[in-house]
Amino acid sequence: SAVISQKPSRDICQRGTSLTIQCQVDSQVTMMFWYRQQPGQSLTLIATANQGSEATYESGFVIDKFPISRPNLTFSTLTVSNMSPEDSSIYLCSVGLSGTSTDTQYFGPGTRLTVL
Amino acid sequence: RKEVEQDPGPFNVPEGATVAFNCTYSNSASQSFFWYRQDCRKEPKLLMSVYSSGNEDGRFTAQLNRASQYISLLIRDSKLSDSATYLCVAPVASQGNLIFGKGTKLSVKP
Repeated sequence: SAVISQKPSRDICQRGTSLTIQCQVDSQVTMMFWYRQQPGQSLTLIATANQGSEATYESGFVIDKFPISRPNLTFSTLTVSNMSPEDSSIYLCSVGLSGTSTDTQYFGPGTRLTVL
Repeated sequence: RKEVEQDPGPFNVPEGATVAFNCTYSNSASQSFFWYRQDCRKEPKLLMSVYSSGNEDGRFTAQLNRASQYISLLIRDSKLSDSATYLCVAPVASQGNLIFGKGTKLSVKP
């Protein structure tokens, strides 16, 4: 497995502001993903963070709202832009060690976001 | 059919009981499946991977039925510490990503 950390662990933000979440892995990984888990719901994939190129977004998620960076094989950021209360959620990064998007993923501890 | 569908739960069982969860999936071409465990306010953690007909790890057994497109998770001799939400995970045909079920909540009582 891998050791994954996220910062911040939680935040309370005002409507209209933006928050950048960091994900750090203790080893180089091919695949990194960003998920959202809304209260009482399961995980929804936001995007796959690609090293050296633009992220691949899932249906319903766009780059302007959730810009993602992946400057190297151990680090990625997700920004939640122009936040509204509907963005209140847990945001999780995950990594895949095998190089495929359909194999085992390991999750960071999550960032709990509340938007007022 | 939804891509991954689970028993809604909650399952409330006494310590020592055997409990089984079912999960159905829509992508008949899926080769790999997973059960994750998620404790309250924590991240999901891998419990078991299922690549063939099944997998067993101690008190936990996962079985795969490709003909009927379902996966089951059996927990024997339930412990209080087994209380958690169990997420069924399967690949999506078109995007090649994982889809997580909504989870089944298990509560083991003394």
